[in-house]
Amino acid sequence: AQSVTQLGSHVSVSEGALVLLRCNYSSSVPPYLFWYVQYPNQGLQLLLKYTSAATLVKGINGFEAEFKKSETSFHLTKPSAHMSDAAEYFCAVNNYGQNFVFGPGTRLSVLP
Amino acid sequence: GAGVSQSPSNKVTEKGKDVELRCDPISGHTALYWYRQSLGQGLEFLIYFQGNSAPDKSGLPSDRFSAERTGGSVSTLTIQRTQQEDSAVYLCASSLASGGRAETQYFGPGTRLLVL
Repeated sequence: AQSVTQLGSHVSVSEGALVLLRCNYSSSVPPYLFWYVQYPNQGLQLLLKYTSAATLVKGINGFEAEFKKSETSFHLTKPSAHMSDAAEYFCAVNNYGQNFVFGPGTRLSVLP
Repeated sequence: GAGVSQSPSNKVTEKGKDVELRCDPISGHTALYWYRQSLGQGLEFLIYFQGNSAPDKSGLPSDRFSAERTGGSVSTLTIQRTQQEDSAVYLCASSLASGGRAETQYFGPGTRLLVL
């Protein structure tokens, strides 16, 4: 079975500070990993995905994530938070077929 | 259309009534997914369509839930005899093709269902 955990249901950072959102997964096979963002009253949109190429993946809006097999992690980072980054972030894993499993989400608040 | 659309955006119903939720995927997308998002929860997979077929119905929570897709396009999720625990946001997503694991899903804005 595959699963995703996201440590911290709510993370607050100051504008300009580092953003770190944590994602750990369980998988019996090499996973494909995704980060999606959901802005208020909008659908989810893809930030970035790992598909077994480079372990450091760059996405939109300055976000990146690093796949670490030894730690079964795929944490999302951004060097400098912007007010517009306030949203809910979901990590997802796909081990096989169309079976996408999403984590519970982390709400990011950015303080002025 | 530019993106995935869903209707209605909000639905309030009484316990025991049936509801239909509609999803219009991006034109040309052959795969379509339904998820349920409850308050404070992640996305719960409900069902997946490839064309008009549903090879994976494993996520449907009970036999009160059903879904169909016609013409490889529009999909309808039906909930019969709604219960208060059905209250949630129902999200639809589509992706370009089968192939699966690396597919980017494009999500609609969701239908917020409230069962009184």
